[in-house]
Amino acid sequence: GQQLNQSPQSMFIQEGEDVSMNCTSSSIFNTWLWYKQEPGEGPVLLIALYKAGELTSNGRLTAQFGITRKDSFLNISASIPSDVGIYFCAGQRFGANSKLTFGKGITLSVRP
Amino acid sequence: DTAVSQTPKYLVTQMGNDKSIKCEQNLGHDTMYWYKQDSKKFLKIMFSYNNKELIINETVPNRFSPKSPDKAHLNLHINSLELGDSAVYFCASSQGGQYYGYTFGSGTRLTVV
Repeated sequence: GQQLNQSPQSMFIQEGEDVSMNCTSSSIFNTWLWYKQEPGEGPVLLIALYKAGELTSNGRLTAQFGITRKDSFLNISASIPSDVGIYFCAGQRFGANSKLTFGKGITLSVRP
Repeated sequence: DTAVSQTPKYLVTQMGNDKSIKCEQNLGHDTMYWYKQDSKKFLKIMFSYNNKELIINETVPNRFSPKSPDKAHLNLHINSLELGDSAVYFCASSQGGQYYGYTFGSGTRLTVV
């Protein structure tokens, strides 16, 4: 089935550093979304992107919808300990029965 | 005030048993989903219902049967549980269409022993 590629599987950064995560696909998506999952909880939507080239911010988070529609990135600036979690990208296509397809996630650790 | 609530949070059961997980959303959304998250954290869609009608069934074994009594509820019944069914199951809902993200419940951790 359709897969979104996220790597590496884990990232370790120092508090205060910026971090960037990439997500790529072999085919086009019409919507890109970024979710964060904390232990024992479900994924929570961080940012949604709807147009190729779109750049959107949510506090210290910035995400972009790639111009080819086959990729997206998420940047977290000035990381803090509560940024720890699993970050998933997800893509969706047009259509009444479209589903959200997730990447495998990146586990982010922040050292104080 | 919980938007998407699942019960139970944890479920430990023996192989061969039948169990159900319940999900309710109070967001007024038209579409509900079941996702399975495996031990490697990969999230895979299982089912999707729109206004009580099944619209996505992703090659899930027949032992899994979703039921939607109304558009605010989507339950998952699993027959003859197997060890490989152990996972975290997430319910989610959305308004439908590509302009709305999904709202997830906090998950049900199923352990089959």
